[in-house]
Amino acid sequence: EADIYQTPRYLVIGTGKKITLECSQTMGHDKMYWYQQDPGMELHLIHYSYGVNSTEKGDLSSESTVSRIRTEHFPLTLESARPSHTSQYLCASSAPRQGARETQYFGPGTRLLVL
Amino acid sequence: GESVGLHLPTLSVQEGDNSIINCAYSNSASDYFIWYKQESGKGPQFIIDIRSNMDKRQGQRVTVLLNKTVKHLSLQIAATQPGDSAVYFCAENEGNTDKLIFGTGTRLQVFP
Repeated sequence: EADIYQTPRYLVIGTGKKITLECSQTMGHDKMYWYQQDPGMELHLIHYSYGVNSTEKGDLSSESTVSRIRTEHFPLTLESARPSHTSQYLCASSAPRQGARETQYFGPGTRLLVL
Repeated sequence: GESVGLHLPTLSVQEGDNSIINCAYSNSASDYFIWYKQESGKGPQFIIDIRSNMDKRQGQRVTVLLNKTVKHLSLQIAATQPGDSAVYFCAENEGNTDKLIFGTGTRLQVFP
């Protein structure tokens, strides 16, 4: 199982502030992902990366941006937070498993509340 | 206002009974499926997966069944325990992409 860390776990911030959600994994996985999840709802992919200097937009349009300068680090940034950004943000990484398809392993998530 | 998520499909079972959680997937080209368990305040946790060349796979206390004809996936939990209480999500993946498509979760509540 992958070790994936997300900070902060909870964040309450005012409208217009710039925020960065951190995600780090210690397993050397090449592929990393960001999902947005409203309470009890399905996960929606907003960004993913296949490796260093690779970033792609996911299926759900998001005003956030990501960067991948190091393999283990995949931060997500909101330049100007709005109440509509209130949600839970989940980071995941994946690696091949012997005889199986790559499986995504998730961090604990960051719950963001924008006032 | 009230979140739509509060109306998540819910399955209530008594401790010790077997649970069956169902999922309908959308893409007939999907060839890999995963069940995740998400406890309150945590990220989804991998439970079991199955490839489309199989129709059944068993793990510890869990069994996943795949019916490709009707695009249906189920998760069976034997001897359900209070610690199994969580929201369960199925996810599908098409072979030419690493992206997962998650279904609407089902909340499992286990009563003593």
